[in-house]
Amino acid sequence: KAGVTQTPRYLIKTRGQQVTLSCSPISGHRSVSWYQQTPGQGLQFLFEYFSETQRNKGNFPGRFSGRQFSNSRSEMNVSTLELGDSALYLCASSRDEGSSGANVLTFGAGSRLTVL
Amino acid sequence: AQTVTQSQPEMSVQEAETVTLSCTYDTSESDYYLFWYKQPPSRQMILVIRQEAYKQQNATENRFSVNFQKAAKSFSLKISDSQLGDAAMYFCAYVTGANSKLTFGKGITLSVRP
Repeated sequence: KAGVTQTPRYLIKTRGQQVTLSCSPISGHRSVSWYQQTPGQGLQFLFEYFSETQRNKGNFPGRFSGRQFSNSRSEMNVSTLELGDSALYLCASSRDEGSSGANVLTFGAGSRLTVL
Repeated sequence: AQTVTQSQPEMSVQEAETVTLSCTYDTSESDYYLFWYKQPPSRQMILVIRQEAYKQQNATENRFSVNFQKAAKSFSLKISDSQLGDAAMYFCAYVTGANSKLTFGKGITLSVRP
């Protein structure tokens, strides 16, 4: 079956612009989460969506936002881009095994954002 | 703050040999799950192995096994019979509760010498 699909794979923006990244989860997966990966900070959790509702949020400014659609596809948006937003943005989906907490994430290949 | 520490930034192993990657974590929760993820140069994160904290038995997946020491909050990954395709960055992570909010370590770059 198809994996997690992220688009675009690469993009270049300038400071002050905004960007929208898209993520299509594996069919049947209801949870989508986003991570930012940078050489300095490593992998940091941005937010998680489940059934179109934000279930968890990391420590990022309000410029970072996301949403999930009824088909579980998700988008994240970054407004007023800063140089420090240059990163690999990873999306992951999971079937969400409920209270067991045993979510196993399947990651996409990521979207590489460069802010000039 | 809950953290994951991978103290070795880089390691190297000879093909067919065994290597152990170390990881320590800090959480006050009693119920949690631990993971090792692999990220090759292609950037796609791949789950290597996972361990439920309530299980004392160490998880194994083919050539990959863990040494889980709950009291010491240690979770090391052993790769046996190393292959060239094992060269990648390896991340240790954990999650508490029914969500996808993983806390990752900084990662370790593993190189495999032919």
